[in-house]
Amino acid sequence: DQQVKQNSPSLSVQEGRISILNCDYTNSMFDYFLWYKKYPAEGPTFLISISSIKDKNEDGRFTVFLNKSAKHLSLHIVPSQPGDSAVYFCAASDNNAGNMLTFGGGTRLMVKP
Amino acid sequence: NAGVTQTPKFQVLKTGQSMTLQCAQDMNHEYMSWYRQDPGMGLRLIHYSVGAGITDQGEVPNGYNVSRSTTEDFPLRLLSAAPSQTSVYFCASSYGSTGPLHFGNGTRLTVT
Repeated sequence: DQQVKQNSPSLSVQEGRISILNCDYTNSMFDYFLWYKKYPAEGPTFLISISSIKDKNEDGRFTVFLNKSAKHLSLHIVPSQPGDSAVYFCAASDNNAGNMLTFGGGTRLMVKP
Repeated sequence: NAGVTQTPKFQVLKTGQSMTLQCAQDMNHEYMSWYRQDPGMGLRLIHYSVGAGITDQGEVPNGYNVSRSTTEDFPLRLLSAAPSQTSVYFCASSYGSTGPLHFGNGTRLTVT
């Protein structure tokens, strides 16, 4: 059974609007969460992370929210740009580190000009 | 900097053949790992290494071998390829345990 789930395989958003990507997890031992972005024919690249001791982390246009009681995190992109079109993976770790990761299945974001 | 380099980019094997996927990093990272990506499954950890001479199994290690003789290189060996190993394979590295992971561009493997 997948411990990290991204229930929306795809999301389409208009340029300039907000993109919200969601992720749910089942393992209560997860204490560090990351988002990766992946373009076709390339490897995933790190986007933003959050520790379980926080509920929000911002980096420019990207904000990650963590709701531990609901075992849910989300990535907000504001404003969305066509270059943000990619597959976004949510990942989690149970050793407070960013390397041994359990990934979700990914959400394909399409930002329309 | 080249970062994490994977070769080959594409490979087609017949069932039962063996091959080695190469991975090299030039960032002096101690931690290296291999993931496979399958549709809808995300990336799953195959094997990892916390330093030269040290390797361990991840979530899906069966059918794969690894070794780490140098800090720079972490090859993944398929001893007898099976169609279930058709996938995209990613090598990744990080500085110590704090990450985040830096990924190579992947090897797309098809086993017929």
